[in-house]
Amino acid sequence: SQQGEEDPQALSIQEGENATMNCSYKTSINNLQWYRQNSGRGLVHLILIRSNEREKHSGRLRVTLDTSKKSSSLLITASRAADTASYFCATDMDSSYKLIFGSGTRLLVRP
Amino acid sequence: DADVTQTPRNRITKTGKRIMLECSQTKGHDRMYWYRQDPGLGLRLIYYSFDVKDINKGEISDGYSVSRQAQAKFSLSLESAIPNQTALYFCATSDTRDRQFFGPGTRLTVL
Repeated sequence: SQQGEEDPQALSIQEGENATMNCSYKTSINNLQWYRQNSGRGLVHLILIRSNEREKHSGRLRVTLDTSKKSSSLLITASRAADTASYFCATDMDSSYKLIFGSGTRLLVRP
Repeated sequence: DADVTQTPRNRITKTGKRIMLECSQTKGHDRMYWYRQDPGLGLRLIYYSFDVKDINKGEISDGYSVSRQAQAKFSLSLESAIPNQTALYFCATSDTRDRQFFGPGTRLTVL
């Protein structure tokens, strides 16, 4: 079963625009993480937000977490063609150090 | 991430064959994981290990076994491969900050 579900499943934007992806989950969490995957390659960790945090920034990335709505969003500002990838949210539900991944959002940034 | 390596990178085998996928890491992390990814889906946890003497089943362990030969090595075996085990397999490690670091993946095809 998948704890996190991303929305939208696919997103196509023009270079320079902002991209927003959403993740919803079902049970309480310890932390929520976002990963990027370039086609057929391993996942790369982007950012981690803990359950007691509401917002985090890292470069052009901004992540928010709303535990009351069990949802998170990832904003990529001023997108670049190199941001084209699949983005996954993953939740650690009980400090078990196991992650449950969502099905991902496929982002296409058109030059 | 070059610190987590997987061999082989690609493998084609026949139904009923025994297959071993190997993972090595130079990150010095205690925690290691095996996932599979099916097309268009997120990752699902097969097995995980928090140290050499600690092995745990994940969400989809049936048909798989693992061996943690050393802190740096974690192998996944398919005792008798079947076609629905055709997938992309990833090894990962995690640090004390709960981030996971992924290998490049092994593309396995079972005919």
